[in-house]
Amino acid sequence: DIRMTQSPSSLSASVGDRVTLTCRASQSIGTFLSWYQQKPGKAPKVLIYGASILKSGVPSRFSGSGSGTDFTLTISSLQPEDFTTYYCQQSSRTPWTFGQGTKVEIK
Amino acid sequence: QVQLQESGPGLVRPSETLSLTCSVSEGSMTNTYWNWIRQPPGKGLEWIGYVYDTESAKYNPSLKSRVTISLDTSRSQFSLILHSVIAADTALYYCARFEPPYHFDSWGPGTLVTVSS
Repeated sequence: DIRMTQSPSSLSASVGDRVTLTCRASQSIGTFLSWYQQKPGKAPKVLIYGASILKSGVPSRFSGSGSGTDFTLTISSLQPEDFTTYYCQQSSRTPWTFGQGTKVEIK
Repeated sequence: QVQLQESGPGLVRPSETLSLTCSVSEGSMTNTYWNWIRQPPGKGLEWIGYVYDTESAKYNPSLKSRVTISLDTSRSQFSLILHSVIAADTALYYCARFEPPYHFDSWGPGTLVTVSS
């Protein structure tokens, strides 16, 4: 299985901050990497796919980059609704796997 | 936008069989990967498997010996069966569509299944 490791597990930030979340794959996955946002009690929602393609309707403050084994999700200016949990997920080969999540908390 | 909705028992006894159904609101169910994903309370996401068309399925090896996913296009539904459940199978179970280029683009709201006697 391809192991996805996210860092940090949690971070504290303020409204307006720029934050970067990291995801590392245990082997190369090309750009078969997606980022999801999950709010409490809700299903995950895709933000980024193909490592850097912004899903239609997602605010442009979200951006993704990377290829191979190292990926980042950047939120350029945190908004109140962004304080929640984010997961990366690889679809290079089955079993498709998720990172353990990064929780973004209010400082 | 397609809508998905899970249904099934919320409580299953240990060693018994968990059975869930996902109803899909609209659109063709062919040439699409239909998935089950679960999330234990307070924990991360685990892909269970998918069905593609009516004869192709793939499962997470961690569950492969206990799981079956099937598709019923006439009812616009797909189903999950998990045999011999244990407490560790307690989770929020989601159904989701996986679309090119390769992401889960539509999810059901999830259904909580508790394994307990």
